[in-house]
Amino acid sequence: DAKTTQPNSMESNEEEPVHLPCNHSTISGTDYIHWYRQLPSQGPEYVIHGLTSNVNNRMASLAIAEDRKSSTLILHRATLRDAAVYYCILSPLSGTYKYIFGTGTRLKVLA
Amino acid sequence: SAVISQKPSRDICQRGTSLTIQCQVDSQVTMMFWYRQQPGQSLTLIATANQGSEATYESGFVIDKFPISRPNLTFSTLTVSNMSPEDSSIYLCSVEDMAATEAFFGQGTRLTVV
Repeated sequence: DAKTTQPNSMESNEEEPVHLPCNHSTISGTDYIHWYRQLPSQGPEYVIHGLTSNVNNRMASLAIAEDRKSSTLILHRATLRDAAVYYCILSPLSGTYKYIFGTGTRLKVLA
Repeated sequence: SAVISQKPSRDICQRGTSLTIQCQVDSQVTMMFWYRQQPGQSLTLIATANQGSEATYESGFVIDKFPISRPNLTFSTLTVSNMSPEDSSIYLCSVEDMAATEAFFGQGTRLTVV
């Protein structure tokens, strides 16, 4: 499975946008890019996923580089409740959700 | 979506004993997975729980240590056998909902071995 690289930690001020980067230089053409987050004392929860085009949902936006070797999760207005560890995961198009988790980015939101 | 219930939510166990963790889903799912999250670490996949056949284990995990059952499409158990303090971790159940495009995770079972 292709690996992902994320910064260990990031900080953001409340109500400011947050850009969480992920590098996946060995991504294959059939890999989807998934983002999950893990709030304190909870299991991971789905945030967003995409293949080639940028994606938006009620939680976040996903910007995917043209060569697909990197992506950025965008939280448009960070709140204190967004403080979590954010994981960028690659999963094959035809595969199951048998995820290989990287180290993730711990996001701290400052009031 | 799928709602997952894991039991127990936490336990403190003596070394050398075994603990069975239950994972119940509110709908039928094709795939169920078990993960381990050691203190301060990311999640590591232990195995895929297959309905009607033996579980498929990832490298570094063996059936004798982590026996898994999957009697039907909504339930699975993970047993942590002959526990040592190194087994102290959070164990999480995850399911793949084929009607959606995401995985769902339980809240986890926090195990402490003393």
